[in-house]
Amino acid sequence: GENVEQHPSTLSVQEGDSAVIKCTYSDSASNYFPWYKQELGKRPQLIIDIRSNVGEKKDQRIAVTLNKTAKHFSLHITETQPEDSAVYFCAASPSGGSNYKLTFGKGTLLTVNP
Amino acid sequence: GAVVSQHPSRVICKSGTSVKIECRSLDFQATTMFWYRQFPKQSLMLMATSNEGSKATYEQGVEKDKFLINHASLTLSTLTVTSAHPEDSSFYICSARGRWGGSTTDTQYFGPGTRLTVL
Repeated sequence: GENVEQHPSTLSVQEGDSAVIKCTYSDSASNYFPWYKQELGKRPQLIIDIRSNVGEKKDQRIAVTLNKTAKHFSLHITETQPEDSAVYFCAASPSGGSNYKLTFGKGTLLTVNP
Repeated sequence: GAVVSQHPSRVICKSGTSVKIECRSLDFQATTMFWYRQFPKQSLMLMATSNEGSKATYEQGVEKDKFLINHASLTLSTLTVTSAHPEDSSFYICSARGRWGGSTTDTQYFGPGTRLTVL
């Protein structure tokens, strides 16, 4: 089955700095890669996703890059703000069909210091 | 759009009792629903996948007789923890994958979770 590794497990940055979280996956059949943000005690919220036919996707301060050859994808947050503090999870899945299910990384606790 | 509700948000029960958790998609048809378990400071562990009108598919190591899943309609799935014990205490979260305009999306929308404490 799929295995998703996520690094780092914790990340502390100063407000205004950039944050980068990296994930690798093992199953070459995976072609859908979402990122979720989870605040303490709350539900995971989708913040951005990318599919394998695209190398990069950006939404305001958030961007995701995908290198399908190397089987890794990364989340980039620019101009970080204290409200960005949360746990971020990457995930991978084959898209569609009966094989679809998300395999999650172990999460990164991001702390943005004012 | 794409709201998933979950009920109850918290439940405390005695050891040996059964607890039912409901997961509803409020504004879309959920072709597939997923049940996860999350321990403190850990990731989401998929327990099972359920498609409307068919039996759930359980992940390896998850006891199907312990965690009963029913997906009777396109907007409702239930998870029943039978004969609960303290080690079943956890945060249970459902998610739903929906259908819009005749096609199913890859996006999973999560419920707010249920905190189960078994005494």
